[in-house]
Amino acid sequence: NAGVMQNPRHLVRRRGQEARLRCSPMKGHSHVYWYRQLPEEGLKFMVYLQKENIIDESGMPKERFSAEFPKEGPSILRIQQVVRGDSAAYFCASSSRKQDSGNTIYFGEGSWLTVV
Amino acid sequence: AQSVTQPDIHITVSEGASLELRCNYSYGATPYLFWYVQSPGQGLQLLLKYFSGDTLVQGIKGFEAEFKRSQSSFNLRKPSVHWSDAAEYFCAVGLNTGGFKTIFGAGTRLFVKA
Repeated sequence: NAGVMQNPRHLVRRRGQEARLRCSPMKGHSHVYWYRQLPEEGLKFMVYLQKENIIDESGMPKERFSAEFPKEGPSILRIQQVVRGDSAAYFCASSSRKQDSGNTIYFGEGSWLTVV
Repeated sequence: AQSVTQPDIHITVSEGASLELRCNYSYGATPYLFWYVQSPGQGLQLLLKYFSGDTLVQGIKGFEAEFKRSQSSFNLRKPSVHWSDAAEYFCAVGLNTGGFKTIFGAGTRLFVKA
């Protein structure tokens, strides 16, 4: 009964490098959400994806950040040319969007990105 | 604009005392409402949720929450706090705006003293 799986749990990158964070949703879930949590702050919505489609990316920074959820494989959040301000915990969540689930989202354990 | 407000950044209660964490939301329709808990270095765990029906909902770990439409509130309560309840608590609103997304309050950090 695997939940939402995120990897890596911890990632260290130098300024200017790329960071790739992966998320496998719960079994049976086809909707993925990415959130960012900065130190001492709440969760900020970034992007909502279904398989092969971006539904809502209103929370994504305009540059350097991208997300995908291919037909096969995990969802990927990609941050190019990382800067120190990108250091944060990135949480993935998934849902089934079935009516009786009420669109409840379930979270992974998070990926902690540190930019040095 | 839709928003979730948790007015208390920190709360400290004594072990065994009762707890109430406040949450207010701003949304035109009846929202889906959630409470999540986060321990340090961990992900978020769902405590309880409200979609419709009985406005008093029971959750895990002895928590409950009451939806009050007139006050746009969804406060979380527990009659007797245990030291293991020390964590960060997030109220959230699920919005159906074309797509569906969940937005979170800033969180309330709960400290429990012996």
